[in-house]
Amino acid sequence: SQQGEEDPQALSIQEGENATMNCSYKTSINNLQWYRQNSGRGLVHLILIRSNEREKHSGRLRVTLDTSKKSSSLLITASRAADTASYFCATDADMRFGAGTRLTVKP
Amino acid sequence: DTGVSQDPRHKITKRGQNVTFRCDPISEHNRLYWYRQTLGQGPEFLTYFQNEAQLEKSRLLSDRFSAERPKGSFSTLEIQRTEQGDSAMYLCASSYSDPALGNEQFFGPGTRLTVL
Repeated sequence: SQQGEEDPQALSIQEGENATMNCSYKTSINNLQWYRQNSGRGLVHLILIRSNEREKHSGRLRVTLDTSKKSSSLLITASRAADTASYFCATDADMRFGAGTRLTVKP
Repeated sequence: DTGVSQDPRHKITKRGQNVTFRCDPISEHNRLYWYRQTLGQGPEFLTYFQNEAQLEKSRLLSDRFSAERPKGSFSTLEIQRTEQGDSAMYLCASSYSDPALGNEQFFGPGTRLTVL
């Protein structure tokens, strides 16, 4: 079974708005990672958050981790059309991926 | 370029034929993963190696699939007697297994397989 499960499955927003997507997992972890995949391409690592961290920032990305709820969220602020992609989470426990969140940012 | 490379990028084959894909990981990485991805889905784990040892293989992987990493560097994934359901993107990723580094995976561009 997969560790990382993302929701929503799809998200459509206007450029400039913020986008939030969530990830749930099942077992204890040392870290959780978020990846982005543009259509037809390989996955690109975005950010890693460790189990002893609650929040982490990288540019317009903000990731939170709640180990008590076994969940994480990825916030993209001031979205751009170039952020249109699928976003996946995975834990170090088994590096399995869910179906992802397909984000569409309309110009 | 020191990223993960995969060859070929595209493969079209007829049902029943065998195909082999190659992945060259980042040189200092000791872990290598294979995934399969179909349209609209996330990458599905197939198998992974630590150095030359195949440590885990998905139960979803039929006996027609085999992977090797003979010298702990590049890896090959072979599919025997291909079926139309094998049509997918096959992704390879590598990482350096280190608790301090967190096992960040670097993905290759993938090999798109079409079985006619």
